[in-house]
Amino acid sequence: DGGITQSPKYLFRKEGQNVTLSCEQNLNHDAMYWYRQDPGQGLRLIYYSQIVNDFQKGDIAEGYSVSREKKESFPLTVTSAQKNPTAFYLCASSIFSGSNSPLHFGNGTRLTVT
Amino acid sequence: AQSVAQPEDQVNVAEGNPLTVKCTYSVSGNPYLFWYVQYPNRGLQFLLKYITGDNLVKGSYGFEAEFNKSQTSFHLKKPSALVSDSALYFCALDRLAFGKGNQVVVIP
Repeated sequence: DGGITQSPKYLFRKEGQNVTLSCEQNLNHDAMYWYRQDPGQGLRLIYYSQIVNDFQKGDIAEGYSVSREKKESFPLTVTSAQKNPTAFYLCASSIFSGSNSPLHFGNGTRLTVT
Repeated sequence: AQSVAQPEDQVNVAEGNPLTVKCTYSVSGNPYLFWYVQYPNRGLQFLLKYITGDNLVKGSYGFEAEFNKSQTSFHLKKPSALVSDSALYFCALDRLAFGKGNQVVVIP
């Protein structure tokens, strides 16, 4: 089955440590996205990539970094500079970067930083 | 700047009754509007979208949505709610602006 795989499902880290969240898709989609979900706030866009080796900042990119070395993979690193990293992180993809194609989501990674 | 508002936090409805989840938007230009559903500890699933054309859009699981340009609204509807429709529903404008979500509770 085609889809988006996010791993791990739960992640615990100590404050001050960088952590990388994995996102892999086998849908052959061009565009990939990272969102952060906090209770009562909906989804906020962190970074997105429309093509390999290219990515753009979203609304809340500070304290995060990404790479897009392969079409299938779009890992997100939460750095120690992110002031409030505890959240549910969702990766998504769309068949192309145009605005009218729906997003396909992974099942998320819940990150807890103490 | 574009934005989406979902004014209600929670929508309670009896099983078999009509379900409506409200969404209003603000954007310059033509909107691309989407509805997604989220079950606990899962990602979002696409329900339906409005790009252009007919104002009534039909989607998955019996859901539909009505686009109203004059009222800048895109309300989600289902004629007869099921207990299994209980979930969190998000309205989105393009892929940049999501509403805060509405918890739908269908009471048996």
